[in-house]
Amino acid sequence: DAGVIQSPRHEVTEMGQEVTLRCKPISGHNSLFWYRQTMMRGLELLIYFNNNVPIDDSGMPEDRFSAKMPNASFSTLKIQPSEPRDSAVYFCASSLGTSGRSGTETQYFGPGTRLLVL
Amino acid sequence: KNEVEQSPQNLTAQEGEFITINCSYSVGISALHWLQQHPGGGIVSLFMLSSGKKKHGRLIATINIQEKHSSLHITASHPRDSAVYICAVNTDKLIFGTGTRLQVFP
Repeated sequence: DAGVIQSPRHEVTEMGQEVTLRCKPISGHNSLFWYRQTMMRGLELLIYFNNNVPIDDSGMPEDRFSAKMPNASFSTLKIQPSEPRDSAVYFCASSLGTSGRSGTETQYFGPGTRLLVL
Repeated sequence: KNEVEQSPQNLTAQEGEFITINCSYSVGISALHWLQQHPGGGIVSLFMLSSGKKKHGRLIATINIQEKHSSLHITASHPRDSAVYICAVNTDKLIFGTGTRLQVFP
């Protein structure tokens, strides 16, 4: 199995530009998570999907951030417009999603997208 | 006060030493995770536990629900164990500790 796939691995953009991060979860996994990691705040959960439906988006910082999961094998996290404080590593993770509760199953992390907003 | 506290923040050890990393939390949880983040940035889930103890190779994780405390032990540490170890607890979502940076020298 290829594991969780994220693209791009690195992104450098200018303030105000739109940024789209992509994630392909492990086949058969029904839960998908987007995390952000910064030096100041560590790892934070942004949003969690189960069966393609957003279950908890309370971690999404503000309206500039949006996430979609149009099907079981693809999710996007979009930032529009981007700001320098959005610079971070964004991780996608997936889990089987059979328990119905996030965080009660082993999660498999993608390699992350390192975003730098200038 | 953070809901998840890890100690120590940084740890150095000589190869072969026994390592203990601690995690304390202040909220009710349904599960606790230990994650390993390598210097290259990749994150691997080591353990998920809700009670007792789990062992995988040289790694042992324990949890005491009453005391709201978990420990991660590494026996016979090796330089390749050098990484950041992150504790995360599940309430209705995962809350992460700030991590413990471990360096094991040959």
